[in-house]
Amino acid sequence: KAGVTQTPRYLIKTRGQQVTLSCSPISGHRSVSWYQQTPGQGLQFLFEYFSETQRNKGNFPGRFSGRQFSNSRSEMNVSTLELGDSALYLCASSSSGEIQETQYFGPGTRLLVL
Amino acid sequence: QKEVEQNSGPLSVPEGAIASLNCTYSDRGSQSFFWYRQYSGKSPELIMFIYSNGDKEDGRFTAQLNKASQYVSLLIRDSQPSDSATYLCAVQGTDKLIFGTGTRLQVFP
Repeated sequence: KAGVTQTPRYLIKTRGQQVTLSCSPISGHRSVSWYQQTPGQGLQFLFEYFSETQRNKGNFPGRFSGRQFSNSRSEMNVSTLELGDSALYLCASSSSGEIQETQYFGPGTRLLVL
Repeated sequence: QKEVEQNSGPLSVPEGAIASLNCTYSDRGSQSFFWYRQYSGKSPELIMFIYSNGDKEDGRFTAQLNKASQYVSLLIRDSQPSDSATYLCAVQGTDKLIFGTGTRLQVFP
């Protein structure tokens, strides 16, 4: 099976702009989770989608939003970018998102906000 | 107190030695525990998961879980320079996976 794919891999934006990141899960996986990784904070959970519904959400401001399509592909949007949004954004997929399931990570999108 | 704590390191061990990576967690109700390895500039990849108290072995890797002490560890036997990476401990909370900030392991020849 092909792994989790994310596009784009690298992105440079300026403050105030918005950005949309895309994630395609492993075929057959219906749960997609998004994480932000920074050197200081480590991996922080953003949200999880399952069957086109946001099932769980982390402690991020409303500028961070997402959605999932019927084919399980997911997008994450960040509006009004701030310098602190510079990070590696990772998505991970699992079959159903059940507690004991393993999550498989994509290669990430590295976002730089200038 | 952080939900999942790891020593940031670096932990330096010579090639062939045993590397011991530790992780403590705060939620007594946690049931699933994962170890991920992350090479610099790459995404995390799963090494092992453990659900039950005790040891679980997979090749050179052994995960140890002690729920009473809220402690999970990863032992890497016969460490190789290719094991040099950051190791992330992840604990399944009620509705999300909670990661520690990782321990950087350096294996020197």
